[in-house]
Amino acid sequence: EVQLVQSGAEVKKPGESLKISCKGSGYFFTSYWIAWVRQRPGKGLEWMGIIHPLDSDTRYSPSFQGQVTISADNSINTAFLQWSRLKASDTAMYYCARVEEFHVLFEKFDAFDIWGLGTMVTVSS
Amino acid sequence: DIQMTQSPSSLSASVGDSLTITCRASQSIKYNLNWYQHKPGTAPKLLIYAASTLASGVPSRFSGSGSGTDFTLTISSLQPEDFATYYCQQSYSSPRTFGQGTKVEIK
Repeated sequence: EVQLVQSGAEVKKPGESLKISCKGSGYFFTSYWIAWVRQRPGKGLEWMGIIHPLDSDTRYSPSFQGQVTISADNSINTAFLQWSRLKASDTAMYYCARVEEFHVLFEKFDAFDIWGLGTMVTVSS
Repeated sequence: DIQMTQSPSSLSASVGDSLTITCRASQSIKYNLNWYQHKPGTAPKLLIYAASTLASGVPSRFSGSGSGTDFTLTISSLQPEDFATYYCQQSYSSPRTFGQGTKVEIK
């Protein structure tokens, strides 16, 4: 079964560091980009960035550039999202998702076909 | 960034109803539009990609249409398991922005 398994919920204080994980299984981990998506309480989905585990090519949304670091370790089929100094505004559910490429009428499209269940990060003093 | 605007933000419907959700892009995204379904406590689920292609295993009561800047998701004969929040997402350029979501509630 193709799946992404995310690490468990975290409760942290402002200023602390954190690294959460997303482990892929059931497919060739190095063949697909992995995306990270934020959902703040009561809000919608926000695309944070993507990484290709094969070469760690990483792209960030301008809104998240410099705020988080996305990395991957393909020896353990795992992608990571980390913060060096958490803020209360980082409180959110964080999802990882696999980026699948589809070919329709000779054109290429991409979408998130497999998602993790999310990691809830709570930052509070 | 391309802005994606969904309407309505929420709606109430009954089992068996047909409904349509609209998504508008701030610039042309051709056919690069995805739709996802999200229920509380679960992972979002891909419904439609390339504006109108059903993802694997998605029931045929879901359909998508549109191109350029205007897109729709239609659910014909709403089922109890369809009550959820629906998001559109453009896959034309980075960042791959989402709409703000449309919550479909039971009337």
